[in-house]
Amino acid sequence: GEDVEQSLFLSVREGDSSVINCTYTDSSSTYLYWYKQEPGAGLQLLTYIFSNMDMKQDQRLTVLLNKKDKHLSLRIADTQTGDSAIYFCAEGGGYNTDKLIFGTGTRLQVFP
Amino acid sequence: DSGVTQTPKHLITATGQRVTLRCSPRSGDLSVYWYQQSLDQGLQFLIQYYNGEERAKGNILERFSAQQFPDLHSELNLSSLELGDSALYFCASSVGQGDGDTQYFGPGTRLTVL
Repeated sequence: GEDVEQSLFLSVREGDSSVINCTYTDSSSTYLYWYKQEPGAGLQLLTYIFSNMDMKQDQRLTVLLNKKDKHLSLRIADTQTGDSAIYFCAEGGGYNTDKLIFGTGTRLQVFP
Repeated sequence: DSGVTQTPKHLITATGQRVTLRCSPRSGDLSVYWYQQSLDQGLQFLIQYYNGEERAKGNILERFSAQQFPDLHSELNLSSLELGDSALYFCASSVGQGDGDTQYFGPGTRLTVL
């Protein structure tokens, strides 16, 4: 079945790195995504990684994929208060559809 | 701004009623997806349309239905509403029908059923 799990909360100090983890079950997913949701707002695509890649870096964001363990992580370097939000990982890109299966979301709180 | 628009932004209605949520995809996108975000179920995929035809179905209740029109906008119809249908409903769009096209999300419609 399809199941994506994340830890619910993460609290970090401003300037530190944040690492948000995700595990998924569907090995046929072509892409894995990270979305950000700020309070009262919609979903903003942060980054994504193709399933045959191990790592992708995009400015302050680093995505690591361990396909064997079905583990995905998002590292945010130099975390700022503006990074406080809920972060969702999602798997998708299956045959003939791009429907996304979302994780439970991780609430990141950044304190000064 | 993702380019995906949804109306209305907020909707308050009573149990047993019927509502219609509307979504306009990004220019050039042929696929529209509907998702429901609720406190107990999280973010769940409901249904996808591609160029007017249903492409994939998720955990969509029989009381709910959707369609995509020739101009590619989509409507999600929710009927016989129950308290548990209160949620944020997102629409997303993408270029194609599969193989990892990026989905862009609208701002959502917050439905409150009293």
